[in-house]
Parts: sequence; C-alpha cells; structure tokens
Amino acid sequence: EAEVAQSPRYKITEKSQAVAFWCDPISGHATLYWYRQILGQGPELLVQFQDESVVDDSQLPKDRFSAERLKGVDSTLKIQPAELGDSAMYLCASSLHSGDGTDTQYFGPGTRLTVL
Amino acid sequence: KQEVTQIPAALSVPEGENLVLNCSFTDSAIYNLQWFRQDPGKGLTSLLLIQSSQREQTSGRLNASLDKSSGRSTLYIAASQPGDSATYLCAVNQAGTALIFGKGTTLSVSS
Repeated sequence: EAEVAQSPRYKITEKSQAVAFWCDPISGHATLYWYRQILGQGPELLVQFQDESVVDDSQLPKDRFSAERLKGVDSTLKIQPAELGDSAMYLCASSLHSGDGTDTQYFGPGTRLTVL
Repeated sequence: KQEVTQIPAALSVPEGENLVLNCSFTDSAIYNLQWFRQDPGKGLTSLLLIQSSQREQTSGRLNASLDKSSGRSTLYIAASQPGDSATYLCAVNQAGTALIFGKGTTLSVSS
C-alpha cells in the first residue's frame, strides 16, 4: 500500500541552528500539506501546496520557516534559525484532490523535532 | 472561524465495553469530516471519512455518524480492546482546504 514518506523521523538540534525536513507524498497526489502538532494539541496547518504552487501559507512563520515543492512531487520544510518553541511533531499529508468530497488526507509518520 | 471540540479529553474503559467519542464543530459548511487514530509519537491513521451528504460510515467495529446541521459527529467503538488504546482525532474539511482538528480524545482500554 502506498504511503507518505518523511525523513528524518527524529531530529535534535540546538537553538539557532538550521533544520530541514523532507516529505515524499503518495504518487499522483496533487495536494501536499505540512502540519505542526504540539504535544497535547491537534495538528495545525503550516503550508498547503497544489502541485508546485503554494495555496495557503497564512500560518507559516515566514521569518524563519520556508517550504518548497519545486517539481510538484516531494517537498522540503526548513527552519532557520530554530527556536525552543519549534519543538513539535511535523506531519506531512497528501491527498488526490479529486474535488468531489471524497478526499482522504493520508499522513506520514512525522518528524519529531526537539530544540535544545 | 471554524473551531472543533472533542469531549471527553480522556477516557478509560475496561475491555469489552462499547464507547462513544464526541466531536463538535462551529461552522456547518463542511466538505467532509474525518476521524483519525494516533498512537504515541506516531503519525495519523485515517479511520473513517464522512462526506457532507452522508449520515454515517462503518468500518469493522467503528461507526461514525455526522449531523451537519447541529455540528456534531460521534465515533462509536464496539467491544473495545486494549489495542484500541490511542488518541482519536476529529477533523473537518471546508471546501477542499486543510483539515481543522480538535485536540483529540485519549482512550485507554484496560484488560
């Protein structure tokens, strides 16, 4: 069964360092999402791509976060510099975007980031 | 702004019991509603998706209902097992946008 792949699974970094996360969606899925989940909370959207274009990045802290999906397939999320408050689970999801209400979002295993 | 609330925040039951998890949302103009399961430190697994035109969906021991007009959904788990222990998240999708999640209900089933 096709899955969303993410790497690394775990990342420990020091404050002010740069970190990057990678996501490979299910083949053929046009829509890709990055969510951030703080412990004890539900995931919240950081950025949404439709193919290679950004659809929604209104909640992305653009002074330190950047995201790209250059060829409309895999995606990278970067944080520079990392802050203590960035410690969280970063989840990638993809959907077919059929537009008929049947879209299921499929999530990857996540990257657990700890900032020291 | 859409808000999703899940009650209770935590639930402990003995094995074999039937249980209901509740989800409410403030804006009834939704595209669909999904229930997810999350094991500690893991990603999300989709359990059921209910389209806005549907009333319920079933998968094995799980049954999810949707009352869009009242802004409510329930997830019914029959004959609970220790392996059902996890956090259950409800999320709504508005017009194909990103999901808006509740904070989840953490379920513990004891043997």
